[in-house]
Amino acid sequence: GENVEQHPSTLSVQEGDSAVIKCTYSDSASNYFPWYKQELGKGPQLIIDIRSNVGEKKDQRIAVTLNKTAKHFSLHITETQPEDSAVYFCAASVMTSGSRLTFGEGTQLTVNP
Amino acid sequence: KAGVTQTPRYLIKTRGQQVTLSCSPISGHRSVSWYQQTPGQGLQFLFEYFSETQRNKGNFPGRFSGRQFSNSRSEMNVSTLELGDSALYLCASSYEKPAHNEKLFFGSGTQLSVL
Repeated sequence: GENVEQHPSTLSVQEGDSAVIKCTYSDSASNYFPWYKQELGKGPQLIIDIRSNVGEKKDQRIAVTLNKTAKHFSLHITETQPEDSAVYFCAASVMTSGSRLTFGEGTQLTVNP
Repeated sequence: KAGVTQTPRYLIKTRGQQVTLSCSPISGHRSVSWYQQTPGQGLQFLFEYFSETQRNKGNFPGRFSGRQFSNSRSEMNVSTLELGDSALYLCASSYEKPAHNEKLFFGSGTQLSVL
């Protein structure tokens, strides 16, 4: 089955700096890659996603890049703010298999004011 | 539009008991998935329902079961509870087109503690 590895497990940055979280996946059939943000006491919230026919996608301060050959994808957050502090999860799935996501282990991002 | 609603928010049970968790998806969403979240294992897929039928199942024992009703609401049941079942159980819904993934929207979860 699919295996998703995520690094780093913790990341601390200063407000205004950029943050990068990286994930690798094992199943070459995976073609959908969402990123979720989870704040304390809440469920994961979808922040951006990318499909395998796209190499990069951007939404304001957040961007995701995908390298299908190397089977890795990354989340980039620019101009970080304290409210960006949360746990971030990457995930992968095969679009024809319904809504079954395989998640990475999560990254605790702390943005220091 | 209301989000995914899960009830109850917290549950405390003892070993050997059974528990039923409820999930109401976003209006118009027909697919409901369940995930277990623990500090040690992270987020793990339990099962997915679409049009009252289980479409996918994760690697969990038969003590974990679920169902979906005609209004897309879903329940999951865990029988003969074990200490290791303590976890946050998350429900997610999506507006599903056949054979295509759509975005998953999660509820806030039910925190289950087994004593």
